[in-house]
Amino acid sequence: EAQVTQNPRYLITVTGKKLTVTCSQNMNHEYMSWYRQDPGLGLRQIYYSMNVEVTDKGDVPEGYKVSRKEKRNFPLILESPSPNQTSLYFCASSLDRGRQPQHFGDGTRLSIL
Amino acid sequence: QQQVKQSPQSLIVQKGGISIINCAYENTAFDYFPWYQQFPGKGPALLIAIRPDVSEKKEGRFTISFNKSAKQFSLHIMDSQPGDSATYFCAARVTGGGNKLTFGTGTQLKVEL
Repeated sequence: EAQVTQNPRYLITVTGKKLTVTCSQNMNHEYMSWYRQDPGLGLRQIYYSMNVEVTDKGDVPEGYKVSRKEKRNFPLILESPSPNQTSLYFCASSLDRGRQPQHFGDGTRLSIL
Repeated sequence: QQQVKQSPQSLIVQKGGISIINCAYENTAFDYFPWYQQFPGKGPALLIAIRPDVSEKKEGRFTISFNKSAKQFSLHIMDSQPGDSATYFCAARVTGGGNKLTFGTGTQLKVEL
């Protein structure tokens, strides 16, 4: 089954404790992206990757890091999480450098206390 | 600033009625306009999309109307059903560069019996 898998689905943690949210896709997609969803703001792009070792900033990259060492994986790293990063996070992937429809994972709800 | 403005924020429709959600954009470089449907606990899923060279696209009960001169587009759900109750996001994309999707703020639709 074609899917984008995020882990964990839920996480409550404390300010400053480094965390990683993993994202994996089994569709051999070139393009992967991270979004955060906040009430009243819709989804905003954090980072995206056109292919292995190629990443770039989206609209709200501050406080986040990503890496793309393998085509299937695109982890989101919060080196020193803060309460304003409490949000619902989605990973997405698509074929053809993002020109094809994006497939989304089911989300990771992060609470930073 | 919100590049894609979506309204209404929430909508209640009776079963069998027509649901209408509107979006307006500023950036004339946008060349792809998808609508995403999101159920609770799930990621957004592509519902229907349109390019600016057509004024209308219909897929089953879902229709996008597009007005290029007014920079507006809307989603119409005919014969709305309780199973259509979800959050709907419009989005827009400039092809090329990061192929980034810019989302509206979302509309929570409830279809009542």
